[in-house]
Amino acid sequence: SQKIEQNSEALNIQEGKTATLTCNYTNYSPAYLQWYRQDPGRGPVFLLLIRENEKEKRKERLKVTFDTTLKQSLFHITASQPADSATYLCAPCESWGKLQFGAGTQVVVTP
Amino acid sequence: DTAVSQTPKYLVTQMGNDKSIKCEQNLGHDTMYWYKQDSKKFLKIMFSYNNKELIINETVPNRFSPKSPDKAHLNLHINSLELGDSAVYFCASSQRGPRRGSDNEKLFFGSGTQLSVL
Repeated sequence: SQKIEQNSEALNIQEGKTATLTCNYTNYSPAYLQWYRQDPGRGPVFLLLIRENEKEKRKERLKVTFDTTLKQSLFHITASQPADSATYLCAPCESWGKLQFGAGTQVVVTP
Repeated sequence: DTAVSQTPKYLVTQMGNDKSIKCEQNLGHDTMYWYKQDSKKFLKIMFSYNNKELIINETVPNRFSPKSPDKAHLNLHINSLELGDSAVYFCASSQRGPRRGSDNEKLFFGSGTQLSVL
């Protein structure tokens, strides 16, 4: 069966450091992958999309990589700030209209 | 101004009751979705509509029935509520359904409806 695995343990990181989150998937052949941020009591908010033919994508302090051989995407937050504290969800997309999400990794950035 | 709005935000009800959750988007999007987020925080797709046509219907009990009166609205009706239905339900929309990996396919979510069945 298809699985999307993200580290279930919270990532505690000091302000200014780089946070790296992992998304592994099995029994998927996604054409692309999206990353979202979710704050408590809110819906997810889109951050970045990376296609299978793109190795890396950047947006401000965010960077995403996509390795279809390893079946893995890495999400980096550089120069992290307390405002970056949230849960980050990855969502590989394979078939039309069906975006499935991982359970997310909580990031806690302390001053 | 809210792009995707769903009501109510909280819904507490007894087992066996029937309830509805409403969703509206003012983004002019063609595709709308219902997702369920359980206690383990997995977001699972339930339904997807494109221009009022049902295009995704996951393995969801037939007690759940979506209705799309027009492409800006997608409501969710739940019959005979069970304890296991307790979760947060999110409505979402996108300009186009996920397919080719363009930014038109990113989802905009509502703020969720927390359903508690007692």
